[in-house]
Amino acid sequence: GQQVMQIPQYQHVQEGEDFTTYCNSSTTLSNIQWYKQRPGGHPVFLIQLVKSGEVKKQKRLTFQFGEAKKNSSLHITATQTTDVGTYFCAGRTSGTYKYIFGTGTRLKVLA
Amino acid sequence: EAGVAQSPRYKIIEKRQSVAFWCNPISGHATLYWYQQILGQGPKLLIQFQNNGVVDDSQLPKDRFSAERLKGVDSTLKIQPAKLEDSAVYLCASSLEGGRIHEQFFGPGTRLTVL
Repeated sequence: GQQVMQIPQYQHVQEGEDFTTYCNSSTTLSNIQWYKQRPGGHPVFLIQLVKSGEVKKQKRLTFQFGEAKKNSSLHITATQTTDVGTYFCAGRTSGTYKYIFGTGTRLKVLA
Repeated sequence: EAGVAQSPRYKIIEKRQSVAFWCNPISGHATLYWYQQILGQGPKLLIQFQNNGVVDDSQLPKDRFSAERLKGVDSTLKIQPAKLEDSAVYLCASSLEGGRIHEQFFGPGTRLTVL
């Protein structure tokens, strides 16, 4: 079945450093979503990407969808302590309704 | 706008007992999801409803798990009998149908501990 993997599993950065998490699907996706889950909290939607090669920015966050629509990345510039949490991608395959969540990347920011 | 409501927030049971979780989605959201999130893992879809019909339940352990969404609004998820490996957070989410963005709004979850 479809699998969605993320790397790295964990990342510790100093405040002000950049951070990137990568998401790879075993199948071609129709679209991909990104969520953030704070410790003890529930996932919160960040963005949805649909087009091949699409790049979207939200303040310090940059999201990219690969040309082959099988991978995606989230880059955070100049991390802050408020960026702490686990970042999940969730991919949807054409012809299906469900989203498969990735394994997640847990980010810790050291002040 | 009220968010997704879930109850109870916490539940501790012994193995082989039964348990039920309740979810009330955001008003007007046609799609409702139940996810199981084991500690340190991503949410795993158990069942997805559109209105009161099931669109995906391929990962629902049907020998012990059941779910219903009567009248296409709130939903219940039941486990009978529970096993130790069912210890997890059960997340309910809802989304609007139609449009290009399928943002899922999650509830606070129910943390289940099976002893």
